[in-house]
Amino acid sequence: SQTIHQWPATLVQPVGSPLSLECTVEGTSNPNLYWYRQAAGRGLQLLFYSVGIGQISSEVPQNLSASRPQDRQFILSSKKLLLSDSGFYLCAWSVGVGEGQPQHFGDGTRLSIL
Amino acid sequence: DAKTTQPNSMESNEEEPVHLPCNHSTISGTDYIHWYRQLPSQGPEYVIHGLTSNVNNRMASLAIAEDRKSSTLILHRATLRDAAVYYCTWLGGSQGNLIFGKGTKLSVKP
Repeated sequence: SQTIHQWPATLVQPVGSPLSLECTVEGTSNPNLYWYRQAAGRGLQLLFYSVGIGQISSEVPQNLSASRPQDRQFILSSKKLLLSDSGFYLCAWSVGVGEGQPQHFGDGTRLSIL
Repeated sequence: DAKTTQPNSMESNEEEPVHLPCNHSTISGTDYIHWYRQLPSQGPEYVIHGLTSNVNNRMASLAIAEDRKSSTLILHRATLRDAAVYYCTWLGGSQGNLIFGKGTKLSVKP
């Protein structure tokens, strides 16, 4: 069966510090991978989307970046965090886009910027 | 955007059926309707999805209106573990991504 792992579960970082969040998927090949941010009362916002190694689409311009160094690894990074980067970050995967394939989420990372 | 209308909250008693409604009048004819649920401090969990016909799985049933402008998620016997925020949506984002509204917060009373 497929599983998705995200870490860390919680993170407290000072403004201006770097960030690296990692997501890995097991049990499937060539998944579509997503980074979302969920802010309180603001629903789910897509940040990055990847259909393959090295292929990243950015949905919202900001000081975050994403990379996919391996087929089932997706990394969210920042060189200098802002206060507005606080939120709940979710990684998700799906297989293909036909038949309305559902997305499966990790448990998320709660990021607090001080 | 995937614009949906759901009740802000609903209550149910344990062991009773729950019908969670959703209006999605702007959905296209080819978009599958998805339902997810989310517990506090956890990622959303996929529940069920369908296109036109009613769908059943081990978690729930999905009843889709004939005009596809609304659907109802049915939990046949609510348990305390079903207490969560339930979102109906579709892959309506520009990248085939999900867009969640505010969802329905379901409370289950023992």
